[in-house]
Amino acid sequence: KNEVEQSPQNLTAQEGEFITINCSYSVGISALHWLQQHPGGGIVSLFMLSSGKKKHGRLIATINIQEKHSSLHITASHPRDSAVYICAVETGNQFYFGTGTSLTVIP
Amino acid sequence: EAQVTQNPRYLITVTGKKLTVTCSQNMNHEYMSWYRQDPGLGLRQIYYSMNVEVTDKGDVPEGYKVSRKEKRNFPLILESPSPNQTSLYFCASSAGPDTQYFGPGTRLTVL
Repeated sequence: KNEVEQSPQNLTAQEGEFITINCSYSVGISALHWLQQHPGGGIVSLFMLSSGKKKHGRLIATINIQEKHSSLHITASHPRDSAVYICAVETGNQFYFGTGTSLTVIP
Repeated sequence: EAQVTQNPRYLITVTGKKLTVTCSQNMNHEYMSWYRQDPGLGLRQIYYSMNVEVTDKGDVPEGYKVSRKEKRNFPLILESPSPNQTSLYFCASSAGPDTQYFGPGTRLTVL
């Protein structure tokens, strides 16, 4: 069972490109989270969304509750954005995760 | 500094030898959780705790135990580890329905 699906699985971009990562889910949720996992393994929370849109620096996250879909956008991508981006949904007190999108930004 | 700490960071053990991975947070968070991460499967929730003495099963609780006797600590116990529990483990905490703070991870190998 895959409650959360992410696409693409892998993404290579040139520095400066606009990047979009997609997340679809099949369960009712109380919130959706976007996480970043660095090459060293550490995980950082980027956004928590329950509706609409949030922006932090060059990162923008949107969610469409009716369509059960969220997107993470990175504007003016930079090599330091290279990481695995993970979508997670929160249902009550439990979390379900996508398998991640591995992003490589080439200088 | 606000943080979640885990110990040990790396552990190699043998089948059947009981082990405990500790998790501690200094942010007075009520919610704590354990996850395991495996290639191709991503992160999966093992157990979570809403507060002291309140714990519940996540998606993959078999073979694991937890306890929450103090707010800051949430140890993960493997009573009889098996090779299929070889994985990367993360502890996380949050102040209720809020962003989670993750520990640095514990890489466990069970031979």
